[in-house]
Amino acid sequence: KAGVTQTPRYLIKTRGQQVTLSCSPISGHRSVSWYQQTPGQGLQFLFEYFSETQRNKGNFPGRFSGRQFSNSRSEMNVSTLELGDSALYLCASSLGTATYEQYFGPGTRLTVT
Amino acid sequence: SQQGEEDPQALSIQEGENATMNCSYKTSINNLQWYRQNSGRGLVHLILIRSNEREKHSGRLRVTLDTSKKSSSLLITASRAADTASYFCATGLGYNNNDMRFGAGTRLTVKP
Repeated sequence: KAGVTQTPRYLIKTRGQQVTLSCSPISGHRSVSWYQQTPGQGLQFLFEYFSETQRNKGNFPGRFSGRQFSNSRSEMNVSTLELGDSALYLCASSLGTATYEQYFGPGTRLTVT
Repeated sequence: SQQGEEDPQALSIQEGENATMNCSYKTSINNLQWYRQNSGRGLVHLILIRSNEREKHSGRLRVTLDTSKKSSSLLITASRAADTASYFCATGLGYNNNDMRFGAGTRLTVKP
């Protein structure tokens, strides 16, 4: 079974631009969660989607948004990029509830200049 | 916000030794999971332990959970250089969602 894939793997953007990251979960997984990882703040939960609905959201500004498609693939969008948005963005998929393991993708390294 | 806190922040041992990492958390949990991350790459799931379990084994890994003390430990026995990585605990708060909170991690270095 193929693992979680994320595209692109690396991205360089300038302040003020917007960016869209993509995540394809493991086949059969309906839940996709997004995390931001930075040296200063560590791993922080952004949001989770299940069956095309956002089930939970972390403490991030509205510039961070996401969606999930009917095939469970998910996209994350960040508008009006700031330097502090430079981070490794990880997505994770699972079967659906917190009683199941989450499987992480390799991440997208976003650099904002 | 962070939920778990790992201790120590960094650990350096020789190959063959055991490594113990601890995790403390603040609120009631549904389960606790341990992950490994190699140098800024994706996280690899190691073990999930549910709140009604006290101990779990997987190969060279042993995880304990003490819900009364809100703490967990990860023991890696007979460590190898390939075990060098950062280890994170993550607590699952909800029963119907995957809102997981991660600690800051323990950086383990295993010297050959």
